[in-house]
Amino acid sequence: QSALTQPASVSGSPGQSITISCTGTSSDVGSYKYVSWYQQHPGKAPKLMIYDVSKRPSGVSNRFSGSKSGNTASLTISGLQAEDEADYYCSSYTSSSLLAVFGGGTKLTVL
Amino acid sequence: EVQLVQSGAEVKKPGESLKISCKGSGYSFTSYWIAWVRQMPGKGLEWMGIIYPGDSDTRYSPSFQGQVTISADKSISTAYLQWSSLKASDTAMYYCARLDRGWLDYWGQGTLVTVSS
Repeated sequence: QSALTQPASVSGSPGQSITISCTGTSSDVGSYKYVSWYQQHPGKAPKLMIYDVSKRPSGVSNRFSGSKSGNTASLTISGLQAEDEADYYCSSYTSSSLLAVFGGGTKLTVL
Repeated sequence: EVQLVQSGAEVKKPGESLKISCKGSGYSFTSYWIAWVRQMPGKGLEWMGIIYPGDSDTRYSPSFQGQVTISADKSISTAYLQWSSLKASDTAMYYCARLDRGWLDYWGQGTLVTVSS
């Protein structure tokens, strides 16, 4: 099945806010609440940042927030910090395979 | 504390077989699905498949069906990912992760598999 569509890269200055989009279809993002976001620093395992579209796991900064409109989910990071520089992946359950699919990933650069 | 500990890096030749492992601790291993995720060098994450250790119910992503085998031994809280005949294109980092409903909340440290003649 096709990956969800994310921008290849985004950038922002410290203190600013950025938003990463994740576009799918009515077979995945548009129909299910199981949208999640992961942060991956170089050489490290991914880390869950958002689940169920907009919920934050314990320990994740409230600077991270998630939302969804139609077939597009979004991750917003406010008050950018240098440590936020990483790759970000969205994921959604998909009825196409009864499993899940990732987005292609977005590299966030903090200028 | 929930932990998933994966087996160490492997270097194999094309055509060889391989089985890597993922041992869970700190939670009821039989009550959560375990997912396997591939990350090829410099590339993104890909869902490979999932297994429910409680009854070994297994599901594969279409791209990986028939290419790998996912199994689990609940008596030792360990899930496995295996290949019968490796190809150079199997060179990648492989992660296991706990699947809680629709999201992956705990991840292993990854196992790097290198296939080269």
